[in-house]
Amino acid sequence: TQLLEQSPQFLSIQEGENLTVYCNSSSVFSSLQWYRQEPGEGPVLLVTVVTGGEVKKLKRLTFQFGDARKDSSLHITAAQPGDTGLYLCAGARRGSNYKLTFGKGTLLTVNP
Amino acid sequence: NAGVMQNPRHLVRRRGQEARLRCSPMKGHSHVYWYRQLPEEGLKFMVYLQKENIIDESGMPKERFSAEFPKEGPSILRIQQVVRGDSAAYFCASQGQEATGELFFGEGSRLTVL
Repeated sequence: TQLLEQSPQFLSIQEGENLTVYCNSSSVFSSLQWYRQEPGEGPVLLVTVVTGGEVKKLKRLTFQFGDARKDSSLHITAAQPGDTGLYLCAGARRGSNYKLTFGKGTLLTVNP
Repeated sequence: NAGVMQNPRHLVRRRGQEARLRCSPMKGHSHVYWYRQLPEEGLKFMVYLQKENIIDESGMPKERFSAEFPKEGPSILRIQQVVRGDSAAYFCASQGQEATGELFFGEGSRLTVL
């Protein structure tokens, strides 16, 4: 069974701090996606990374896909209370991009 | 609102009853997926459907669970004789014609079995 381990499980920081969350697996994925989920809502896609070593930026968020396509990280610069939420990574295998393997998520709380 | 629509948002059932969850995909989307999110667990793939066809049900429990996506109307996830372990959030996602793009998730249906 493919597993995606996310760390830390919980993270509580002050507004303005930087943070990095991690997503690790022993399996190779053809692509990896990061989602953000708010309480009572469905996951919303933030980014998809496909190429080993790829780095994508979305405003204050920086996503990196590991060279071996087994791991990924999400770095947030100058976190804001609006960044609070559950961050999920999900991996897809070639030929079945719909059958995502999700991690359990990192619950981020940014305090004002 | 052209997003994925799920209903009911919340459903309470007693053990042994049936639960029916409905999902209307985004306009123009013909691929529907159901995922389940158990407490303290990540989302897990259940089933992939196109109109009138089940494409992949490898994540669906063999008993009591069924899914359909009829020619007309929403996709339905049906759980018969519910047990407490079925309590979870059930998410539907849809994808466009090419089945290679982004999955758009609905807001989920939260089932509580008493």
